Amino acid sequence: ILNVEQSPQSLHVQEGDSTNFTCSFPSSNFYALHWYRWETAKSPEALFVMTLNGDEKKKGRISATLNTKEGYSYLYIKGSQPEDSATYLCADAGTYKYIFGTGTRLKVLA
Amino acid sequence: EADIYQTPRYLVIGTGKKITLECSQTMGHDKMYWYQQDPGMELHLIHYSYGVNSTEKGDLSSESTVSRIRTEHFPLTLESARPSHTSQYLCASSETGGEYTEAFFGQGTRLTVV
Repeated sequence: ILNVEQSPQSLHVQEGDSTNFTCSFPSSNFYALHWYRWETAKSPEALFVMTLNGDEKKKGRISATLNTKEGYSYLYIKGSQPEDSATYLCADAGTYKYIFGTGTRLKVLA
Repeated sequence: EADIYQTPRYLVIGTGKKITLECSQTMGHDKMYWYQQDPGMELHLIHYSYGVNSTEKGDLSSESTVSRIRTEHFPLTLESARPSHTSQYLCASSETGGEYTEAFFGQGTRLTVV
């Protein structure tokens, strides 16, 4: 993996469903992996900063895991709600910049 | 609530005009960044700064220029706007050691050059 890749690009889920997305990143020279949520007409906001292999972080119904050896991170949303609708970005954070993926656009249907 | 502000939010301007997109933050962050995003594409870094009087070009080549005369201010200038400059521009800042701390983003400037 040379770039940061996210999948799927978009998905629609029903309210109450649980869902997850994938972020793949170069596993060499790893510093940190960031997850951001970007709601329409707002600024991207940080969800998690993950640095250690095996990290698992949780904020309410949202959690994330990190595997630095194989270069991937998963973001999970349990019991999706309409307010979870947003674009979820991951970023490979280096010493001076963040490299972003294209994001996963989530739409939660009521 | 992040203390980083961009103006204007939306700008429609004619070809050949000079424009400056403003970005200010009140968090005292040394590192600041400009990202460009075209629809459906990822955020591409076009400029960044380590601090006052430091400016560097990012991964995506851009005809814009930036300056960092004050810690809180990181304006982006296009000397002669063209339709190819139509895009969304996002400003961000972070603390030194930013790979372990989050970036804070402004709300973006959506630029349309006609």
